Amino acid sequence: SSELTQDPAVSVALGQTVRITCQGDSLRIYYASWYQQKPGQAPVLVIYGKNNRPSGIPDRFSGSSSGNTASLTITGAQAEDEADYYCNSRDSSGNRVLFGGGTKLTVL
Amino acid sequence: EVQLVESGGGLVQPGGSLRLSCATSGFTFSSYEMNWVRQAPGKGLEWVSYIRSSGSTIYYADSVKGRFTISRDNAKNSLYLQMNSLRAEDTAVYYCARDMLTTGTPSGAFDIWGQGTMVTVSS
Repeated sequence: SSELTQDPAVSVALGQTVRITCQGDSLRIYYASWYQQKPGQAPVLVIYGKNNRPSGIPDRFSGSSSGNTASLTITGAQAEDEADYYCNSRDSSGNRVLFGGGTKLTVL
Repeated sequence: EVQLVESGGGLVQPGGSLRLSCATSGFTFSSYEMNWVRQAPGKGLEWVSYIRSSGSTIYYADSVKGRFTISRDNAKNSLYLQMNSLRAEDTAVYYCARDMLTTGTPSGAFDIWGQGTMVTVSS
């Protein structure tokens, strides 16, 4: 088993670009998925696979990966993007899923 | 409209049991792999369990293995989580989540989530 590590908090000025990262050994093997969660709401999938957005997710959200680090980039952050963001991936066994601890994004 | 609706949460004493249900609609439930994910108050997300579309393959997080049982009834379009020997640390909102990829293992790409049901384990 392994862990996924995220920075607890990140801030970005309105309209600027922000990158949220997720580190873990399993990311060398498996892609990360990324979720946005606003207070009192269920998580919403924003990125999965190499860099895929589910229907309805704005194209300002993108994903990338290098080595043991996956990244979620928001290009031109909007006020409504303020939320908690979680990464996940399969663990090293491939039979379980790990979540990162989450990153609280503040849009200034 | 694709929808997942959880029910069955509540207050239970340590050592007790609860059965959560997830009623689904708007898609062919029998074609999708499903998961349970939980979130303790003020904490992050934790994957709990996975079941293949046919029910033939099941996986659990180490934290619940041996105490929780996931199952499904494709005729009723429903997913279940039987929780036994509950502990205080099981207190959380429990979400059912649809796996958008069909791989035979939990992919992590959960595209549809219910609103969650709260489970509180306390004396």
